[in-house]
Amino acid sequence: EVQLVESGGGLVQPGGSLRLSCAASGFTFSSYDMHWVRQATGKGLEWVSAIGTAGDTYYPGSVKGRFTISRENAKNSLYLQMNSLRAGDTAVYYCARGVAVAGTGENWFDPWGQGTLVTVSS
Amino acid sequence: QSVLTQPPSVSGAPGQRVTISCTGSSSNIGAGYDVHWYQQLPGTAPKLLIYGNSNRPSGVPDRFSGSKSGTSASLAITGLQAEDEADYYCQSYDSRDVVFGGGTKLTVL
Repeated sequence: EVQLVESGGGLVQPGGSLRLSCAASGFTFSSYDMHWVRQATGKGLEWVSAIGTAGDTYYPGSVKGRFTISRENAKNSLYLQMNSLRAGDTAVYYCARGVAVAGTGENWFDPWGQGTLVTVSS
Repeated sequence: QSVLTQPPSVSGAPGQRVTISCTGSSSNIGAGYDVHWYQQLPGTAPKLLIYGNSNRPSGVPDRFSGSKSGTSASLAITGLQAEDEADYYCQSYDSRDVVFGGGTKLTVL
């Protein structure tokens, strides 16, 4: 069974740092792009970062320079290092496997993990 | 303000057909990027519903269908059931960035 399990969420003060992890199983982790997507309570989905199979990384402007995505294929693990956290970063963070649209660099997401809650508050 | 625009809510009675629109622009859907749809049941993670504009993953009932035309896409649900009550999100790309619609809450009356 393909499975993604996030961990590392919690309460952190504004300006602080947190590292999220995502443990993958049931598929060849190194062969897939991976993503982080977040969802604030009662709000919609927001893409946070992506990492390709070659280690290339992508971020939206809202987190560029503050968040760093990485992967450790030997451990089937995905990470998100979050620095300079703000109240607006409070959300459930999901990791998701990216499945490639043939012939393009585009992905759809399947499956998703259950999410881990990050709360930024003093 | 999401790059892709969805109606905040739609509703329908059991057995009816509902559609959810996802409107983009020439830099995303209109540029040729595929549209994908996700269903999020209350308190759970999103689940892939439609990929590549109109393809259903195994296990998704054929009551769900997707289409794309120009700068918009649509999700149609026929034979509405109580278990379909959920939030639905479209997803595409815009200049290499992943973008989502704001989500649509489906209420089964």
